[in-house]
Amino acid sequence: EDKVVQSPLSLVVHEGDTVTLNCSYEVTNFRSLLWYKQEKKAPTFLFMLTSSGIEKKSGRLSSILDKKELFSILNITATQTGDSAIYLCAVFIQGAQKLVFGQGTRLTINP
Amino acid sequence: DTGVSQNPRHKITKRGQNVTFRCDPISEHNRLYWYRQTLGQGPEFLTYFQNEAQLEKSRLLSDRFSAERPKGSFSTLEIQRTEQGDSAMYLCASSLGGLDYGYTFGSGTRLTVV
Repeated sequence: EDKVVQSPLSLVVHEGDTVTLNCSYEVTNFRSLLWYKQEKKAPTFLFMLTSSGIEKKSGRLSSILDKKELFSILNITATQTGDSAIYLCAVFIQGAQKLVFGQGTRLTINP
Repeated sequence: DTGVSQNPRHKITKRGQNVTFRCDPISEHNRLYWYRQTLGQGPEFLTYFQNEAQLEKSRLLSDRFSAERPKGSFSTLEIQRTEQGDSAMYLCASSLGGLDYGYTFGSGTRLTVV
C-alpha cells in the first residue's frame, strides 16, 4: 500500500527560528513529490520535486528530495507568525492520477 | 473568481439523510478529483474524472457514495444515508492534462453529521 509519513506531527517554535519538516514515502510508482501549505481551508501549492538533490527555493522556504532514501525535507528560515499552518507532503502516483498525502505537520510560530 | 469553487461551504445533516456537494473546476481543466480530509489527517483520494469519464475510484468510496461529472464540467458528490463517520472536509481539485503541479484545490465543503 502506498504510504507517506510526515514528522513531526506538531511543532511549536518562536518567530525567527528555522524549522525542518520531514516527509518519507513508500510508493509503488513514484512520479513526483509535492508540498502544500494548508491554513483554514484549501491546500495551496508550494513545491513540486521530481529529481533528487535539486533544491527548490521560494523566499524563505526551500525543499529537496532524496529518491534513494525516499524522503524530502521542507525548510523554513526566519519563521514568521504567518507561517503557522499545516504543511502537507504528497506523492503523485504515476499512472494513477492521484496524490497520496501524509498526515501533515502542524506548525505554530509564536511571536 | 477563477479558482475551483465548492458549494456549500458547510453542511450539517442528520444521520441517515442524503447530501450532495458541488464542485466547479477551473474552466479549462479537464481533470477533476475528490478527496476527503478528516481532522488531523491529510486528504485521502476518493475519485478522479477525466472529462465526463470516472476513471478511478478509491475503495473508500463505498456504495453510499456516488460522483458524477455530466458533460465534463461541474461535478457532484452524493452521500446517501449519511453516518457520523462521514463527517469530514470534502475537497475538490482540478488540473489540466498531465500537469500534476497544476492541481488546484477548492476550499472544501465541511460536512457534519449529527
